[in-house]
Amino acid sequence: DQQVKQNSPSLSVQEGRISILNCDYTNSMFDYFLWYKKYPAEGPTFLISISSIKDKNEDGRFTVFLNKSAKHLSLHIVPSQPGDSAVYFCAASATGGYNKLIFGAGTRLAVHP
Amino acid sequence: DSGVTQTPKHLITATGQRVTLRCSPRSGDLSVYWYQQSLDQGLQFLIQYYNGEERAKGNILERFSAQQFPDLHSELNLSSLELGDSALYFCASSGLAGGGANVLTFGAGSRLTVL
Repeated sequence: DQQVKQNSPSLSVQEGRISILNCDYTNSMFDYFLWYKKYPAEGPTFLISISSIKDKNEDGRFTVFLNKSAKHLSLHIVPSQPGDSAVYFCAASATGGYNKLIFGAGTRLAVHP
Repeated sequence: DSGVTQTPKHLITATGQRVTLRCSPRSGDLSVYWYQQSLDQGLQFLIQYYNGEERAKGNILERFSAQQFPDLHSELNLSSLELGDSALYFCASSGLAGGGANVLTFGAGSRLTVL
């Protein structure tokens, strides 16, 4: 049972344009959502998070939007840079679940010059 | 360097064997999590420890076991290995004790190849 889904395995974007990565979830008990970035041969690194009481959180070029009614969140990267090329994982947690993170399958982003 | 140390980085072994993966959490973090990433798949949660006690279990096989020691380092033991156990195994740690976004800090992973 996949509680967190990233339906696009890959995304290709031109440098300077917007990258939009999508994530859907099924468990209405999730109250925190996080995005991680992973480069080859490295562990995932935390990028940005959002609480379920908010619908938007921004950090520099990265913005996460949450639509609770649709159980959908998205990560916007503006402007995209070649160094953003990586695998992006969406993750969610429920406060009552000892805060373990449930991850999606990831989306591989390629930003071309 | 994330502060989470995993050893070994690479491990090649044969079917039926047993291996132990080791993790030292970031200084001050009490929680340790183990995740498995098989080829082109997401991170599957295996197990969580908090200050030496098991807190949550995911889809961890009975052939796998883990523990967290008094010095807070953790070991993941994989036995009777099968070809399908070949994967990246990540350890992560966090200091979260209550509410809030649980930001896990991951190690670089241990790549296990079972031949």
